[in-house]
Amino acid sequence: GENVGLHLPTLSVQEGDNSIINCAYSNSASDYFIWYKQESGKGPQFIIDIRSNMDKRQGQRVTVLLNKTVKHLSLQIAATQPGDSAVYFCAENMGYSTLTFGKGTMLLVSP
Amino acid sequence: EPEVTQTPSHQVTQMGQEVILRCVPISNHLYFYWYRQILGQKVEFLVSFYNNEISEKSEIFDDQFSVERPDGSNFTLKIRSTKLEDSAMYFCASSGLAGGSYEQYFGPGTRLTVT
Repeated sequence: GENVGLHLPTLSVQEGDNSIINCAYSNSASDYFIWYKQESGKGPQFIIDIRSNMDKRQGQRVTVLLNKTVKHLSLQIAATQPGDSAVYFCAENMGYSTLTFGKGTMLLVSP
Repeated sequence: EPEVTQTPSHQVTQMGQEVILRCVPISNHLYFYWYRQILGQKVEFLVSFYNNEISEKSEIFDDQFSVERPDGSNFTLKIRSTKLEDSAMYFCASSGLAGGSYEQYFGPGTRLTVT
């Protein structure tokens, strides 16, 4: 997919830093949330998910935090690497199959 | 690792023409989806498909759109009479082993350009 960087919030970090990408979701009834990574020319790639009965979930180098009170989701990437450079989308599931995506944040990692 | 594949990677068509975008979901997945992403915008849900019928569709998925699973491996999206505003990346996704799973695996996309 292509994303015009001018229209996306951008987070620039140095290699080795920790990155935090934020997302506000829209529907308090959503019960499942996912973070996707999209590299240039590719489709969204699943990173990590979390259900609404949890407030934190950890994966390999990534942690997702969910704050249902303020409808906020964050993705923390530890020791960010140049290969992490991509657009990151949060998505919420409000029903059987529909995913609603956020606008995305471009992460730029400098060596 | 199994993956969703899509063909063609880029399709150019004239306004009013019909296009068929093709997808091969991950084998043994049961749920299939189409999404689109207009340049510079977010990914938007179009339709989901399960057990040989549409299970959900969005407002975007009007009568000009149709989906089909013509055989045991392909999943297609047809746009009957393309409009300029149909230009976008179209992503196919699949999910669900037996019993269901929310994790959706996306293909690389087909870029549709309507001129």
